[in-house]
Amino acid sequence: DVQLVESGGGLVQPGGSLRLSCATSGFSFSSHWMSWLRQAPGRGLEWVATIKPDGSDKFYVDSVKGRFTISRDNAKNSLCLTMNTLRVEDTAMYYCAKDGPGWSREYWGQGTLVTVSS
Amino acid sequence: QSALTQPPSASGSPGQSVTISCTGTSSDVGGYNFVSWYQQHPGKAPKLMIYEVTKRPSGVPDRFSGTKSGNTASLTVSGLQAEDEADYYCSSYADTNNLVFGGGTQLTVL
Repeated sequence: DVQLVESGGGLVQPGGSLRLSCATSGFSFSSHWMSWLRQAPGRGLEWVATIKPDGSDKFYVDSVKGRFTISRDNAKNSLCLTMNTLRVEDTAMYYCAKDGPGWSREYWGQGTLVTVSS
Repeated sequence: QSALTQPPSASGSPGQSVTISCTGTSSDVGGYNFVSWYQQHPGKAPKLMIYEVTKRPSGVPDRFSGTKSGNTASLTVSGLQAEDEADYYCSSYADTNNLVFGGGTQLTVL
């Protein structure tokens, strides 16, 4: 079975940094595009970033460009999201996802909560 | 404000059919057959229900179907069951290398 387990969330002050991790199993990690998405409390889903299988290309939503970096370690089957210069509006549940056909997000983890507050 | 427009709510009685719309532009829904639909129960992670407009992942009941016409995609749930009560989100690939979502539709089974 495909498993995605996020970690690293927590409370951080505005302007601070946080690094999220996603441990994966049950599929050939190095062959698949991977993504981070988020959901602010009581709000809808938002795509954050996507990375190609070999890490050669990365794509971001405009609101996080220059602040967030998606990366992967294919030897460890893990995905990361490094978040810098965090803002209150970055407060959300962050989900790791295995990408599927046609820019779908085939499998999702249970999420890790990031709260940006002073 | 979300890039794709969905009705905030929809409802139907058990056994009935309900259709949820998702309206975008020629730069997203209308320009690509890369529309997906997700189901999300309270406190749970989203689950993929439809991809590439009409395709169902393995394990998704055939009561769920998707279509698209122009800039509007639709999800139809036939033979409504109590467990279908959830939030539903559409998404679409958008120019260039972007993924946009609708604001979500809360489906109530009466």
